[in-house]
Amino acid sequence: AQSVTQLDSQVPVFEEAPVELRCNYSSSVSVYLFWYVQYPNQGLQLLLKYLSGSTLVKGINGFEAEFNKSQTSFHLRKPSVHISDTAEYFCAVSPPLNYGGSQGNLIFGKGTKLSVKP
Amino acid sequence: NAGVTQTPKFQVLKTGQSMTLQCAQDMNHEYMSWYRQDPGMGLRLIHYSVGAGITDQGEVPNGYNVSRSTTEDFPLRLLSAAPSQTSVYFCASSYFGTSGPREQFFGPGTRLTVL
Repeated sequence: AQSVTQLDSQVPVFEEAPVELRCNYSSSVSVYLFWYVQYPNQGLQLLLKYLSGSTLVKGINGFEAEFNKSQTSFHLRKPSVHISDTAEYFCAVSPPLNYGGSQGNLIFGKGTKLSVKP
Repeated sequence: NAGVTQTPKFQVLKTGQSMTLQCAQDMNHEYMSWYRQDPGMGLRLIHYSVGAGITDQGEVPNGYNVSRSTTEDFPLRLLSAAPSQTSVYFCASSYFGTSGPREQFFGPGTRLTVL
């Protein structure tokens, strides 16, 4: 079975500072990795995804994430945050289709609330 | 395209009442799913469907029913609401490819309170 751990439930940061949101996963097989963002009172929007290939993945709004297979991590980073980045961020994994009967369902972490202060 | 739409946006029920949360998508996606979001719990899968007439249970299916009679619609039914079902419910859809992951597109959510 797969699981996702987001190590920080809340991350406060000042505007224009860098930020890293941490995500670790557990799986006995290769998985696909995702970061979603949820702005207040809205649904989830895909930030970026890792499928294969380059371990550095660039997403929307200046975010990027690095896949580290040996540490089973997929941390999200942004070099300079804005007030508008205040949101909750979710890391998710998806096992390969048909692995153990999987239909590729997403397994989410519990989320990290990023609060950007002026 | 409207994407994934959900109705209603807000709902208050009394314990024991029944209701249906509606979800529709206009992207011709085969895969649709329902999640519930609770504080500090992330999103948990309730039910999902890989095509019309095919549904299956997710992580937390108890107390919920689904059906999929068309590609576009995937309603979630609460037969007898309980306070533990107070939550925000999200519907999502994606293509169902033969390999590789699928980007799921989420609706805006339904905030349900059961008194």
